[in-house]
Amino acid sequence: ILNVEQSPQSLHVQEGDSTNFTCSFPSSNFYALHWYRWETAKSPEALFVMTLNGDEKKKGRISATLNTKEGYSYLYIKGSQPEDSATYLCAPYSGGGADGLTFGKGTHLIIQP
Amino acid sequence: DAGVTQSPTHLIKTRGQQVTLRCSPKSGHDTVSWYQQALGQGPQFIFQYYEEEERQRGNFPDRFSGHQFPNYSSELNVNALLLGDSALYLCASSLPPDNSPLHFGNGTRLTVT
Repeated sequence: ILNVEQSPQSLHVQEGDSTNFTCSFPSSNFYALHWYRWETAKSPEALFVMTLNGDEKKKGRISATLNTKEGYSYLYIKGSQPEDSATYLCAPYSGGGADGLTFGKGTHLIIQP
Repeated sequence: DAGVTQSPTHLIKTRGQQVTLRCSPKSGHDTVSWYQQALGQGPQFIFQYYEEEERQRGNFPDRFSGHQFPNYSSELNVNALLLGDSALYLCASSLPPDNSPLHFGNGTRLTVT
């Protein structure tokens, strides 16, 4: 079972500000890293699946970077909007035969108007 | 294009009883995974089904079993329910390969009294 840590646990950000948070995971046996956004009363929604060291992905105002050698990924949100309020989950995957995705506890982001 | 649907939405059971949760995958998806999310935790992998076979399994006791039907829909069965089984049960569908993003349903909230 992988040890996945996300920090901070929760974050309050003013509307319009940019923010970022971290996902740390074991660097050995790395295959892929998933990011999901989970809004209240909805289902988790996939943001990114990242596989290569140094990978950088972007979706609108949200972007993510990946460092597989040191075992971390950053998620950035530029110009936060109220609709960005959600829990952001990361989940590394070790590949075939592994026990599925191992999710962190998430970072709970609240955007204050 | 129907997404992942789960039923029922909520369920209350008594200790010792058995429960069956159902999931229909997103159209075109052939792989179904089940996750348990306890309060304050990230989703935990239970098992994954592909081609009607259990392909991967997480660290859950044999009381948790599943099935996948020829139309790719799936069931999660839990026998001899314990209070600790109270959680949100999420179903997710995907396509191969292993680094494909998961598409989640809204979950079934199970309460064991």
